[in-house]
Amino acid sequence: LAKTTQPISMDSYEGQEVNITCSHNNIATNDYITWYQQFPSQGPRFIIQGYKTKVTNEVASLFIPADRKSSTLSLPRVSLSDTAVYYCLVGFMDSSYKLIFGSGTRLLVRP
Amino acid sequence: SAVISQKPSRDICQRGTSLTIQCQVDSQVTMMFWYRQQPGQSLTLIATANQGSEATYESGFVIDKFPISRPNLTFSTLTVSNMSPEDSSIYLCSVEDGTGGPQHFGDGTRLSIL
Repeated sequence: LAKTTQPISMDSYEGQEVNITCSHNNIATNDYITWYQQFPSQGPRFIIQGYKTKVTNEVASLFIPADRKSSTLSLPRVSLSDTAVYYCLVGFMDSSYKLIFGSGTRLLVRP
Repeated sequence: SAVISQKPSRDICQRGTSLTIQCQVDSQVTMMFWYRQQPGQSLTLIATANQGSEATYESGFVIDKFPISRPNLTFSTLTVSNMSPEDSSIYLCSVEDGTGGPQHFGDGTRLSIL
């Protein structure tokens, strides 16, 4: 059964590192894992994408273990403007190929 | 990344009517997708629209209810037909350039049906 699991919500304070994990047990062999940020009344905004090990860009890091059954988005030194909903997007091979968004993690950053 | 514009940004419609949502991209893209996002929920893929072929619909979505056009590499439309209050949702289009890169999204159309 194709399914992703994310924590519903997380709280943090400005300047802290935040790690959000998405589990995806049946990920398609050749598919990437993609993370998005969404603010109210806006479409999801691309953050980072990876296939395995670690990927880093100017805003985040993505850690993917060797079995690829989960991934962790790491946001270093969050600010108030990082308050948003974060989604993982993963492809699965079930009876057919399916792209599935995670349920989303609502991150609240406090001063 | 591509700039995606959706029209209208929001609308309020009467039940039983239909509304066509437009998605315009500022560059040619191979794949375009249509999603639905109900209030406070995640995104659900409705269909994939590739230029020159019929749209591919996900389980639970049918062409009669959500007809899609993809006349060229920069434009697509989604029609929500015979609307009911259950169709009240945000409809988003996204694009992918076909090279394995990520999807990029428009800001969506917020649809309310009375």
